Amino acid sequence: KAGVTQTPRYLIKTRGQQVTLSCSPISGHRSVSWYQQTPGQGLQFLFEYFSETQRNKGNFPGRFSGRQFSNSRSEMNVSTLELGDSALYLCASSYRGAAGEGDIQYFGAGTRLSVL
Amino acid sequence: DQQVKQNSPSLSVQEGRISILNCDYTNSMFDYFLWYKKYPAEGPTFLISISSIKDKNEDGRFTVFLNKSAKHLSLHIVPSQPGDSAVYFCAASAGNKLVFGAGTILRVKS
Repeated sequence: KAGVTQTPRYLIKTRGQQVTLSCSPISGHRSVSWYQQTPGQGLQFLFEYFSETQRNKGNFPGRFSGRQFSNSRSEMNVSTLELGDSALYLCASSYRGAAGEGDIQYFGAGTRLSVL
Repeated sequence: DQQVKQNSPSLSVQEGRISILNCDYTNSMFDYFLWYKKYPAEGPTFLISISSIKDKNEDGRFTVFLNKSAKHLSLHIVPSQPGDSAVYFCAASAGNKLVFGAGTILRVKS
C-alpha cells in the first residue's frame, strides 16, 4: 500500500509570492491534516480536512488555506509569502482523523519551503 | 499555549542502555497519546501509542507509560541502538486534532 505522497519535496520562493503544496493520502484515508515544522517549535497544526470539509483549524493567519478534493487529495496554499514561512510542511492522513485506537495519522516526507 | 511539552531538547545515551524520553501535558481532555520518530529528510513515523484508560503499553523494545494524575508520559527504549538516533515527538489527541511537543533529539552512542 502506497504511503502519503507530498509534492514537491523542495521549493524556493521569494517574499510576496504564493505557493501551492500537494498531498496524496493513503488509499482509503479520508482525513488529511497539515502541519508546519520549524526548528524548536515542533509540529504546529494548520488545518484538517475530512470529506472535502475543513473540520479543524490551527492558529495561523488567513494567508494559509487549503482544500480537499473528492478523491481525498489535498492542497495547501500560502499567499503573500513571508520570510518566516520558511519551514517543513507536513501532511498526514488517517481513516477518520480521530487519532484513537486503529486510527493513526501517517505522515508524508514533507515539502521544504524556503522563502528568500 | 504549549499544551504538550518536551522539556529536554536532547538526550545522549550509550548503546545497550535505556533511553527515557519524557513528555508533560496540561489539557485533561486529551484521551490518546502517541510517540513519533523522525529522521532527517523524512516525515515522522508512528512508533507507539496509549489510550488514557491504560497506564502502560509495550511493543518490543518500546514501552510507553502514562501517569494521568501527573499529566506525564514517558517512552522507554530498551536496549537503545544507534539506529534509534532521531528526533522523538510526543503527541496528544482530543477529538480530531493532534497536538505535538517540540521534540527531543536522541543520540545513541556506540
